[in-house]
Amino acid sequence: AQSVTQLGSHVSVSEGALVLLRCNYSSSVPPYLFWYVQYPNQGLQLLLKYTSAATLVKGINGFEAEFKKSETSFHLTKPSAHMSDAAEYFCAVSVEFTGGGNKLTFGTGTQLKVEL
Amino acid sequence: NAGVTQTPKFRILKIGQSMTLQCTQDMNHNYMYWYRQDPGMGLKLIYYSVGAGITDKGEVPNGYNVSRSTTEDFPLRLELAAPSQTSVYFCASRELSGDGYTFGSGTRLTVV
Repeated sequence: AQSVTQLGSHVSVSEGALVLLRCNYSSSVPPYLFWYVQYPNQGLQLLLKYTSAATLVKGINGFEAEFKKSETSFHLTKPSAHMSDAAEYFCAVSVEFTGGGNKLTFGTGTQLKVEL
Repeated sequence: NAGVTQTPKFRILKIGQSMTLQCTQDMNHNYMYWYRQDPGMGLKLIYYSVGAGITDKGEVPNGYNVSRSTTEDFPLRLELAAPSQTSVYFCASRELSGDGYTFGSGTRLTVV
């Protein structure tokens, strides 16, 4: 079954430092992968998605992720953290239903804290 | 604005009470989903629908029911609320083709 694993439930970085949030996937077929961000008391906002085109995907707010088949990874990065990046981040994979259609299966989330 | 609308935003229920969480989308999306979010657990799929009149169970359907009488609406029903149903509930929709999911802003439910 297709799934994603997020390593590290909490990550803390200094403002201006590199942000690296890890996501590994398990899939027997080329997956569609997503990163979502959730700010406190809000819904989920799509940061970026991989749909088998370019392996380096650029998203909103300066985030990007690289699909690495050899490592089964889809880590999220941002060169320089900003205080406004503090939020919870979810990696997700699109999984097909038997009989057609699909759904998102989520990782357990990573809480990003940005310190001065 | 086009999107997924959830009501109410907050609700406190007593054990054994029932309620319906409303979800409406105006994008003519075929697929609709209900997820619950618990701390440290990510989002788990409760029920989904691939079109009007068609619904099916997700990973955690126990204690919930859904219906899909129209393309726009996908209400989630709790018949006998239990403390284990304290959670944040998200409704989402997706177009028939493509991979764009749209999420509502959530309903925060507390059962006491």
